[in-house]
Amino acid sequence: QVQLVESGGGVVQPGRSLRLSCAASGFTFSNYAIHWVRQAPGKGLEWVAVISYDGSNKYYAGSVKGRFTISRDNSKNTLYLQMDSLRTEDTAVYHCARGRVPESYFDFWGQGTLVTVSS
Amino acid sequence: QSALTQPASVSGSPGQSITVSCTGISSDVGSYYLVSWYQQHPGKAPKLMIHEGTKRPSGVSNRFSGSKSGNTASLTISGLQPEDEADYYCCSYVVRSTSWVFGGGTKVTVL
Repeated sequence: QVQLVESGGGVVQPGRSLRLSCAASGFTFSNYAIHWVRQAPGKGLEWVAVISYDGSNKYYAGSVKGRFTISRDNSKNTLYLQMDSLRTEDTAVYHCARGRVPESYFDFWGQGTLVTVSS
Repeated sequence: QSALTQPASVSGSPGQSITVSCTGISSDVGSYYLVSWYQQHPGKAPKLMIHEGTKRPSGVSNRFSGSKSGNTASLTISGLQPEDEADYYCCSYVVRSTSWVFGGGTKVTVL
């Protein structure tokens, strides 16, 4: 069955960096676009970034553009999110989600990893 | 891109039908049948309930249905059951910016 397992979350000070990972299994990882979607505590969902199946195309939300970098290693079935210059407003649970193209929806989600940005 | 507009809460008794609305603008909800709906129970991952406006994934109860009119999409839950109590989010792809926008979420309560 499709599984997405995030890791790498934790507590980090403002201005510092953190890298999240998302390990995929149960499907051909290299055939799918993958997204990051975050959820601040007690708040709604916010789309963060997407990477195409082969890594050639990447798109970001305006709130993270220039600070976050999405990447993937298809040989390891793993997605990454490099988060630099972190701000307190980046505090959230970060989910990875498999994307369907061109229909543009998310058909499977991971449980998420919590990132807390605090001094 | 502003978030899509959803009511904060909707409630109903077991067996009743409820509808959750999701209002956007012509460049997102109004443009394409690219609206999806997600159910999220507390502490759990979101689950896809409806995609492309009206399509139900395999395994999702046929009590859930989607529709769209103009700039408003809707999720209807018929025969409301206790396990339907959860948060529901709509989402639309925004073609002109290659981005996705979510609604603020609706808490569905089964009375």
